[in-house]
Amino acid sequence: LAKTTQPISMDSYEGQEVNITCSHNNIATNDYITWYQQFPSQGPRFIIQGYKTKVTNEVASLFIPADRKSSTLSLPRVSLSDTAVYYCLASGTYKYIFGTGTRLKVLA
Amino acid sequence: DTAVSQTPKYLVTQMGNDKSIKCEQNLGHDTMYWYKQDSKKFLKIMFSYNNKELIINETVPNRFSPKSPDKAHLNLHINSLELGDSAVYFCASSSGQGAKEQFFGPGTRLTVL
Repeated sequence: LAKTTQPISMDSYEGQEVNITCSHNNIATNDYITWYQQFPSQGPRFIIQGYKTKVTNEVASLFIPADRKSSTLSLPRVSLSDTAVYYCLASGTYKYIFGTGTRLKVLA
Repeated sequence: DTAVSQTPKYLVTQMGNDKSIKCEQNLGHDTMYWYKQDSKKFLKIMFSYNNKELIINETVPNRFSPKSPDKAHLNLHINSLELGDSAVYFCASSSGQGAKEQFFGPGTRLTVL
């Protein structure tokens, strides 16, 4: 059974770059990696998705190495409002496995 | 307009009762999901429907029965509630199966006493 693990928590200061890793050793060939952000009392919200190499959008970058056994979400210049729980998701046909979640706290 | 809505937002009930949670999406999506988030914040898929057909049914007790009357709705009925059913239940939708962006509802916090 595929497992998707993340660090439990991270602290950062405003303006810094934050990198959150996700380990997905048993990822299948057709699985994609997606990252979601969740604020308290809200549903998760899509951040970014990728298959391999690097993907960048207006809020984040996603790095997936060639072996695809891990991925790294990069948040440039975080602000206090980025304090949230971040989840990676390995998904393919009929399969959706969320990571354990990383609680990011951004300090002033 | 809310994209994915759930009712009720909070549900407190006694063990042994039967309860339902309703979900509606106005995004025109054809795939809908139910997830359970436990007290440790782990998110686990329970069910997925595509065009009103059940396509994913994880190892969920058969006390949980999803029903999709049409593509825009996916309801969750729970029989004989147990203490361990206490959790936050999220509905989500996407435009197709597989690795598509999912849009989540606000969640329903279920507390079983």
